[in-house]
Amino acid sequence: GNSVTQMEGPVTLSEEAFLTINCTYTATGYPSLFWYVQYPGEGLQLLLKATKADDKGSNKGFEATYRKETTSFHLEKGSVQVSDSAVYFCALSRLLVGAQKLVFGQGTRLTINP
Amino acid sequence: GAVVSQHPSRVICKSGTSVKIECRSLDFQATTMFWYRQFPKKSLMLMATSNEGSKATYEQGVEKDKFLINHASLTLSTLTVTSAHPEDSSFYICSADGSLGLQGQYFGPGTRLTVL
Repeated sequence: GNSVTQMEGPVTLSEEAFLTINCTYTATGYPSLFWYVQYPGEGLQLLLKATKADDKGSNKGFEATYRKETTSFHLEKGSVQVSDSAVYFCALSRLLVGAQKLVFGQGTRLTINP
Repeated sequence: GAVVSQHPSRVICKSGTSVKIECRSLDFQATTMFWYRQFPKKSLMLMATSNEGSKATYEQGVEKDKFLINHASLTLSTLTVTSAHPEDSSFYICSADGSLGLQGQYFGPGTRLTVL
């Protein structure tokens, strides 16, 4: 079946540090891959996505590349800020007629200290 | 744009009672809404897919008679937890798909249910 595995959190970094959150997936076919972010007290927001192998999604300084050979979609940012503190979810989609069904990883809580 | 609200944000109820949670798309029409359940330090688990004007499709292992879903309009879906028990205590999250396909789903802020 389809599944997503993220690195265990929590992750605590200092401001301006380099961030990597690992994500690997198992899927039949060719899923689309997503990173969602959940800030305290808010709903999940789409951070970035990639729809096919070797695509790179990017937004707000975050990047992730769809690696089919390693079934991975690791999230990276070169210099994190305190405002990046949130829970990050990796997800894949499986096609449902008219809409995309999402399968989520367990989430990784990120805390950035000033 | 693309805001989804949930009400209530937090509810505490006694065992055996029923609780209704509303999910609204505020500035767009959602033909499909999804209901998720999130356990502490665990992933979001899809419970059911709700299509306006038709019966919801439940994921394997989710009791449809316990978690009643009604998608009465293009902007409103409700989840009713019937005869709630302490093990139903959880964080329930809805999302709405604005027929934007791969643009993704828009998520509500969630409802924390505590059953005493």
